[in-house]
Amino acid sequence: QKEVEQNSGPLSVPEGAIASLNCTYSDRGSQSFFWYRQYSGKSPELIMFIYSNGDKEDGRFTAQLNKASQYVSLLIRDSQPSDSATYLCAVAGYAGGTSYGKLTFGQGTILTVHP
Amino acid sequence: GAVVSQHPSWVICKSGTSVKIECRSLDFQATTMFWYRQFPKQSLMLMATSNEGSKATYEQGVEKDKFLINHASLTLSTLTVTSAHPEDSSFYICRADNRGYFGRNEQFFGPGTRLTVL
Repeated sequence: QKEVEQNSGPLSVPEGAIASLNCTYSDRGSQSFFWYRQYSGKSPELIMFIYSNGDKEDGRFTAQLNKASQYVSLLIRDSQPSDSATYLCAVAGYAGGTSYGKLTFGQGTILTVHP
Repeated sequence: GAVVSQHPSWVICKSGTSVKIECRSLDFQATTMFWYRQFPKQSLMLMATSNEGSKATYEQGVEKDKFLINHASLTLSTLTVTSAHPEDSSFYICRADNRGYFGRNEQFFGPGTRLTVL
């Protein structure tokens, strides 16, 4: 079983719709959860991080965390063509000090937003 | 905000040569840096954790004698791919973390280095 799994893509949504991206993780000791966006040929760009159960909203993005179910999701409202990218879920086990330590990435979900 | 740079951004080399990639934290000190590798259509895989002033910690399956890591200062880590072969062609990305505002840690990825071995 993979440590971090994302729903298999690619995911295609029309412009203006809600895109839903899902991620499950196997390590119950995980404490920090991240969503990245990666455009082709570029390095990952952090979109959201979440530490506590529940929802966290930032603009059009909402991250949801359920530690009991070991599940984290990302919702993108009012999807735009510029949101088309690969979305990576990452999990870390340490939320203190000056480093998050080892990040374990999921395999990524390709999102396409069509006009 | 804090920035992490990598040099070079891309490199093409012949099989058997060595290539050095630099990762710099530009306005903060990073005692720990991380090196990732990403093959086409795959996710990021951690290669090693680079610790300033001490030996790097390599992930299982990563050859430490082939991928030499030196973290000589708090702002610079280097990854040297020795005797590179075509299968080493990949996108190499470094990451450094910093304590940001309100005590929250922040993480910064470098822009990546595209290595092509002919």
